Amino acid sequence: QQQVKQSPQSLIVQKGGISIINCAYENTAFDYFPWYQQFPGKGPALLIAIRPDVSEKKEGRFTISFNKSAKQFSLHIMDSQPGDSATYFCAARGNYQLIWGAGTKLIIKP
Amino acid sequence: NAGVTQTPKFQVLKTGQSMTLQCAQDMNHNSMYWYRQDPGMGLRLIYYSASEGTTDKGEVPNGYNVSRLNKREFSLRLESAAPSQTSVYFCASSAPPGQRIYGYTFGSGTRLTVV
Repeated sequence: QQQVKQSPQSLIVQKGGISIINCAYENTAFDYFPWYQQFPGKGPALLIAIRPDVSEKKEGRFTISFNKSAKQFSLHIMDSQPGDSATYFCAARGNYQLIWGAGTKLIIKP
Repeated sequence: NAGVTQTPKFQVLKTGQSMTLQCAQDMNHNSMYWYRQDPGMGLRLIYYSASEGTTDKGEVPNGYNVSRLNKREFSLRLESAAPSQTSVYFCASSAPPGQRIYGYTFGSGTRLTVV
């Protein structure tokens, strides 16, 4: 019940395309859903986050879509750029801690 | 710059040696965490400290100990290093859950190799 399942494990997208990463959870008590971006040799950094009373949040080219009934949320990267190549982690907050997805390695091909 | 500082950045140990990884944050955060990251395994929580004076085990605590020295500092100790502890270690801190912008701030990591 504490798991967050993330897919795909890796993703290759052409420059200018849309990158989509999905996460699913079971615990309805989770109250906050962030996405983190990690570049090689660096720690993860908060990218965008959403609370379950909102169905969508957009910040620039990054959008979180949240489906409370399906217990799923996804990250969409519009107009993907080579600089977006990184590992992306979804997470969910439960019991004052973040439960992490396994990560998605995203490669944007020029 | 405000943030989480980890030392050292790189370390090579021989099996059986001990060492302490240091972490300090200057954001006045209550909670601090130690994670390890292995290829294909994501982030696995080793120990966390919800507040000064408290520590709790995470998902993979065996072989590690921690000390929350004060509000700023949270150290991770390997008493007798094993090759299975070869990994990248990240320290993180977080503000209380009620903050409008809530998130973990991570350090830049310590790459540890045990030979």
